Amino acid sequence: GDSVTQMEGPVTLSEEACLTINCTYTATGYPSLFWYVQYPGEGLQLLLKATKADDKGSNKGFEATYRKETTSFHLEKGSVQVSDSAVYFCALRNEKLTFGTGTRLTIIP
Amino acid sequence: EAEVAQSPRYKITEKSQAVAFWCDPISGHATLYWYRQILGQGPELLVQFQDESVVDDSQLPKDRFSAERLKGVDSTLKIQPAELGDSAMYLCASSRTDSGANVLTFGAGSRLTVL
Repeated sequence: GDSVTQMEGPVTLSEEACLTINCTYTATGYPSLFWYVQYPGEGLQLLLKATKADDKGSNKGFEATYRKETTSFHLEKGSVQVSDSAVYFCALRNEKLTFGTGTRLTIIP
Repeated sequence: EAEVAQSPRYKITEKSQAVAFWCDPISGHATLYWYRQILGQGPELLVQFQDESVVDDSQLPKDRFSAERLKGVDSTLKIQPAELGDSAMYLCASSRTDSGANVLTFGAGSRLTVL
């Protein structure tokens, strides 16, 4: 079945550092790929998405490119802020939405 | 901005008691989902509705869990009897259709603690 493997956390960075959270997937066909973010005590919010190979999703300075050849969708940001501290989930959608286990990111001032 | 409404936000109950969660999706969204998120893990789908019909409940523990969406709008998820292992966040989400490209919008969740 479909599965998502993402970089285990927790990840702690200093403000203005570069961020990469790795995500790879196994799926049949051509799934859509997503990054969701969960702030403390809240539900999941869509951060960005890509629906076909080589698409780049972007939002709030975050980017991820749908790489079919490496079955990856790594999340990147050039300069993180304290407000980016949250749990990040990579997900894919074929018939259903399948999530990774999440990566907790903490940014220290 | 339209939101998915859930209640209650927090629920503490003793094992063997009954508990219910309510969800009101975004207006016009035909597809509604219930997910369970255990602490430190990603959400897992419990049940998916298309309008008032269940289209996937393969991961719903049917001996104790039930879900309904009688008029194809709001939905209720019930657990009876609750067990210690049911402690989790219960997330409701909705989307316009069940198409793979459609984005799911999640509610804030209902956190259940079973003592």
